[in-house]
Amino acid sequence: GAVVSQHPSRVICKSGTSVKIECRSLDFQATTMFWYRQFPKQSLMLMATSNEGSKATYEQGVEKDKFLINHASLTLSTLTVTSAHPEDSSFYICSAKASGVSDTQYFGPGTRLTVL
Amino acid sequence: AQSVSQHNHHVILSEAASLELGCNYSYGGTVNLFWYVQYPGQHLQLLLKYFSGDPLVKGIKGFEAEFIKSKFSFNLRKPSVQWSDTAEYFCAVNAHNTGGFKTIFGAGTRLFVKA
Repeated sequence: GAVVSQHPSRVICKSGTSVKIECRSLDFQATTMFWYRQFPKQSLMLMATSNEGSKATYEQGVEKDKFLINHASLTLSTLTVTSAHPEDSSFYICSAKASGVSDTQYFGPGTRLTVL
Repeated sequence: AQSVSQHNHHVILSEAASLELGCNYSYGGTVNLFWYVQYPGQHLQLLLKYFSGDPLVKGIKGFEAEFIKSKFSFNLRKPSVQWSDTAEYFCAVNAHNTGGFKTIFGAGTRLFVKA
């Protein structure tokens, strides 16, 4: 089946620093990737939709200047949390949708971000 | 606004018991429906999906779900659960909008199966 990887799986950073999270589709080309945030004991909240070669579409309430998304190729999207603060600590999950007719998303394992 | 509601946040069952997890959505247009499962320490995996056709959908590991359009529901069922079904289950709705599509997730249901 389709595999999506994320790197790093865990990151701890100091407040004010920036953190980059990578999302890769390993065995398929992903025209669309999604970034979610999952708070403890809550569901996934869509942050943004990333299409290869174009600007990401952010959900209402998500700061685009704080959560920078780059979808540079059909297999890679990156999320950069800029000037991270403790309230940005969360579990970030990406998913990828292959080009074609299926609306099935394949999820990465997630990245646990802790901002001290 | 579109939303997905899962009725039970926590469910505890004994092995061999039957399972039904409720899911209702609010959206008047065409939708695709999904159930995802997240086993402890693992990432989300697709259990089953409904796009069109037979409203009773069979998924992996003996799971099935029934789409009832009039009730805006997509409940997940399994006749006999196993200890290995212990996981968190998410219902998701993919709604087609003019701007494309967006997947909305329910809050999830944690299932614990006692051996």
